[in-house]
Amino acid sequence: EIVWTQSPGTLSLSPGDRATLSCRASQSVSSSYLAWYQQKPGQAPRLLISGASTRATGISDRFSGGGSGTDFTLTISEVEPEDIAVYYCQHYGSSPPYTFGQGTKLEIK
Amino acid sequence: QVQLQESGPGLVKPSQTLSLTCTVSGGSISSGSYYWSWIRQPAGKGLEWIGRIHSSGSTNYNPSLKSRVTISVDTSKNQFSLKLSSVTAADTAVYYCARTDVMPDLAWFDPWGQGTLVTVSS
Repeated sequence: EIVWTQSPGTLSLSPGDRATLSCRASQSVSSSYLAWYQQKPGQAPRLLISGASTRATGISDRFSGGGSGTDFTLTISEVEPEDIAVYYCQHYGSSPPYTFGQGTKLEIK
Repeated sequence: QVQLQESGPGLVKPSQTLSLTCTVSGGSISSGSYYWSWIRQPAGKGLEWIGRIHSSGSTNYNPSLKSRVTISVDTSKNQFSLKLSSVTAADTAVYYCARTDVMPDLAWFDPWGQGTLVTVSS
């Protein structure tokens, strides 16, 4: 079973800073079937990115995804207060059970 | 635009069965193009996939919960349901329903329901 590890656990940034969130697999995956979700306080998760780099409908172009193999990243070019959330990665494409990374909490100073 | 809405009791006694329903609107659960999943999240913790169902009735469950979980579908009502038996306090969580495509390369979770909090307590 592949284990997905997100880092850092918490990211504290100032408005306008660049955020880089990591999602790492315990072994290489042959596909870029990687999704990122944003969960704002008190809300359900929302799809941000699929296919490692494709933004979902209505998602700001400040959000971008990349990576392959074992290392994937979510980048927020200039963080805003509205980006306060926990971000989860999830690899799909394989047979269930599906698992999520443990999440990265983004705080704004 | 497809929307999902969870419903069910917010309080369940220990050892009893948790029962939730997800109502799908804006699309047909019978289309055959999607799987319908349940995911839960204890307070302050991460996301745990519980299981999924296809409109054909085919199911997959998380091995960690398989012995206690039953997911069913009612195409006439455009709903699918979750039953979790023998609950304990560890099953206290927000429960979400979500949709995935049947094609593995499109199988991300989208959309999600708003979630419903279920507390297990006497």
